[in-house]
Amino acid sequence: AQTVTQSQPEMSVQEAETVTLSCTYDTSENNYYLFWYKQPPSRQMILVIRQEAYKQQNATENRFSVNFQKAAKSFSLKISDSQLGDTAMYFCAFMKRASGTYKYIFGTGTRLKVLA
Amino acid sequence: SAVISQKPSRDICQRGTSLTIQCQVDSQVTMMFWYRQQPGQSLTLIATANQGSEATYESGFVIDKFPISRPNLTFSTLTVSNMSPEDSSIYLCSVFDGYEKLFFGSGTQLSVL
Repeated sequence: AQTVTQSQPEMSVQEAETVTLSCTYDTSENNYYLFWYKQPPSRQMILVIRQEAYKQQNATENRFSVNFQKAAKSFSLKISDSQLGDTAMYFCAFMKRASGTYKYIFGTGTRLKVLA
Repeated sequence: SAVISQKPSRDICQRGTSLTIQCQVDSQVTMMFWYRQQPGQSLTLIATANQGSEATYESGFVIDKFPISRPNLTFSTLTVSNMSPEDSSIYLCSVFDGYEKLFFGSGTQLSVL
């Protein structure tokens, strides 16, 4: 069975600095997708970034980028120029197609606080 | 991306009662899912809401406790029945956009006294 592990329950970073959130996963699949979601206090889950396992190039979305190491099964999120609005819970997620549907598995989350 | 409206945003309920949560999407979607997020925890899939047929429940969740309706491709409801304090959670509706992306509603914060 697939598992997703986020080993950092809480992190903090100074505004304008860079922070990296860790995520590791375990799977025997070759084709899958990885995601980072952000959940601010408003509870809304917001998709931050997506990575296809078959792509070697790391995904980038503005200030957000990932370091995808397929062999190591590692998928970290780097936030550059951190802003106060980045304060949120961040969830790493794994997705694969299975039995006609799509199975998502979420990590336990990392609570990030951006300090002014 | 799909716009998902979820109601109510929060509710406080008495033990033994039921609450129905509504999820409305601004476009037709094939797959809709219901998740539970217990306090301080990650997301757990309750069921996949299938249009025109019975929902597919994950292990540990049963239809009698969490009946789901999906009358069309833009709407679904989740009922939390015979509630107990252990049902206090955030309940999230989500939809799959067909491009490997999952979008979420704003969630329903449920507290059971």
